[in-house]
Amino acid sequence: QVTLKESGPVLVKPTETLTLTCTVSGFSLSNAEMGVSWIRQPPGKALEWLGHIFSNDKKSYSTSLNSRLSISKDTSKGQVVLTLTNMGPVDTGTYYCARIVTSLDVSTAYFLSYFDYWGQGTLVTVSS
Amino acid sequence: EIVLTQSPGTLSLSPGEGATLSCRASHIVSASYLAWYQQKPGQAPRLLIYGASSRATGIPDRFSGSGSGTDFTLTISRLEPEDFAVYYCQQYGNSVWTFGQGTKVEIK
Repeated sequence: QVTLKESGPVLVKPTETLTLTCTVSGFSLSNAEMGVSWIRQPPGKALEWLGHIFSNDKKSYSTSLNSRLSISKDTSKGQVVLTLTNMGPVDTGTYYCARIVTSLDVSTAYFLSYFDYWGQGTLVTVSS
Repeated sequence: EIVLTQSPGTLSLSPGEGATLSCRASHIVSASYLAWYQQKPGQAPRLLIYGASSRATGIPDRFSGSGSGTDFTLTISRLEPEDFAVYYCQQYGNSVWTFGQGTKVEIK
């Protein structure tokens, strides 16, 4: 059974650094076909992709957050950590982690990639 | 960065009716990397369609996806009460993922 669960502070002050942990179970972060992504959603707004990390430690970040965002993993603990510096009110929202699956479509010989499992999300509020 | 534009913003329909949701990309998208998600209030998104047209595990066959290039469509053949939700398309290219702004399917 695959699960992901986000944990971290619910309230952060402006200019502080946010650290969130995604703890996964039911799969290994060393699996070559898998990765973990972070996504957030401001209240009442759309989903925003933040970044991801794959089993080979390859990372990618949203260009709008690239200078503030860092993602790392501890494979032995089954954890992926998001660090977002210099938090502001616009960073308020629900933060999700999701598993990325990459698989080969044998009918087309193309690779497929998508988010098949999501955590429940954690609401982070930025306020003094 | 590829921008995904979903239309309409809101779709007001009755149970039993069909729904057609559009997702248009600013540049050509690989269909292999085009997915659709459903989100209900207070819940995490759920994968519906991947590879533009493949249903995820456990997704009813009233949901179908199609399209290629820059134009993709999610079709719900007959709306059930549990289908009223917000739907997002998503694409992956050049190591970056983007989501559309969502289409809300509401009860008329």
